[in-house]
Amino acid sequence: DAGITQSPRHKVTETGTPVTLRCHQTENHRYMYWYRQDPGHGLRLIHYSYGVKDTDKGEVSDGYSVSRSKTEDFLLTLESATSSQTSVYFCAISAGWGRDQETQYFGPGTRLLVL
Amino acid sequence: QKEVEQDPGPLSVPEGAIVSLNCTYSNSAFQYFMWYRQYSRKGPELLMYTYSSGNKEDGRFTAQVDKSSKYISLFIRDSQPSDSATYLCAMKEEYGNKLVFGAGTILRVKS
Repeated sequence: DAGITQSPRHKVTETGTPVTLRCHQTENHRYMYWYRQDPGHGLRLIHYSYGVKDTDKGEVSDGYSVSRSKTEDFLLTLESATSSQTSVYFCAISAGWGRDQETQYFGPGTRLLVL
Repeated sequence: QKEVEQDPGPLSVPEGAIVSLNCTYSNSAFQYFMWYRQYSRKGPELLMYTYSSGNKEDGRFTAQVDKSSKYISLFIRDSQPSDSATYLCAMKEEYGNKLVFGAGTILRVKS
């Protein structure tokens, strides 16, 4: 998985509780992404980061926040989890943009169940 | 209408068959086209990557892009049971790094 780890790999939580997912990379890549994957929707971008402390929203950012204080770590926080956020969350990294730089490599995923 | 359309399948074929997987898209600005393979309970892994139009071959896999029709294909020759997975197409514009994914096609190769 291209030097990408995600933690936890599985989590069950209750509605209304905060949840933080962590993505850690050892590739020193500039860009990091958080996606969620749901049946019938494929992968949808939640937030991404283009450098330390530089982040931007994706397609489905409502209810999520992110932080990146170090190149290697990208955190995704659900401030108050809802059942609609039950999903599989994937982190991805890329070196940059432009040919041969923009390929995204994915982590193993985190399965989140919100009861 | 979704920006990228992909038949979810499942597509079931016998071992040794030629498999054709397809995506259509609506954004004419897409220039990078990728195919990812995802095994059950794993992260997607990049299979093929094509810039602009044309064909690209890698072993048993061939990717085709027809920008005039906004249609991309992935062909798998001599399919094997180990090819059973979900195949996701993805694409992006020339500048920027936001990938847009299809919903994925489930492929089952029967031995």
